[in-house]
Amino acid sequence: GAVVSQHPSRVICKSGTSVKIECRSLDFQATTMFWYRQFPKQSLMLMATSNEGSKATYEQGVEKDKFLINHASLTLSTLTVTSAHPEDSSFYICSAQSSGANSPLHFGNGTRLTVT
Amino acid sequence: DAKTTQPTSMDCAEGRAANLPCNHSTISGNEYVYWYRQIHSQGPQYIIHGLKNNETNEMASLIITEDRKSSTLILPHATLRDTAVYYCIVSSYNTGKLIFGQGTTLQVKP
Repeated sequence: GAVVSQHPSRVICKSGTSVKIECRSLDFQATTMFWYRQFPKQSLMLMATSNEGSKATYEQGVEKDKFLINHASLTLSTLTVTSAHPEDSSFYICSAQSSGANSPLHFGNGTRLTVT
Repeated sequence: DAKTTQPTSMDCAEGRAANLPCNHSTISGNEYVYWYRQIHSQGPQYIIHGLKNNETNEMASLIITEDRKSSTLILPHATLRDTAVYYCIVSSYNTGKLIFGQGTTLQVKP
């Protein structure tokens, strides 16, 4: 089945620094990837849609200058949390959709970000 | 906002069938019904999806009512490892975008 890999699985950073999270589709090409955020005991919240070769589309209320998304190839999208603050601490999850007909989204295993 | 309504929680005895309901009364003609589950601290796992016909795979069965306003996910023989939050989502296949609601927390008990 389709595999989506996220790296790192956990990261701790100091307030004010930036953190990059990678999302890779391992066995298929993903024209579209999605980034979600999940706070404890809450559901997943869609942050942005990442399209290969074009600018990401951000959901309302998500700061595009704070959460930089790059989708430079058909197998890799990155999310950079810039100038991180403790309130950015969360579980970040990516998902990818292949270009094949009738294919569902597949999710990575998430990145636990803790900002101290 | 999520377009589905699910019970907050359900219990199921190990070895029995788990039937998880979902209401999606405002579903559009081009929207699919997707089911995912999330085990604690992991990414969501795809289970099954359908448009209007019932579907079955190695994990589960999906029963969609004729008017498509509701559906039921069936795990035929629940195990303790099926304990998770189950999300029912309706989405147009073309957009690929999935908006998650609160889901149903299924607790499988020995």
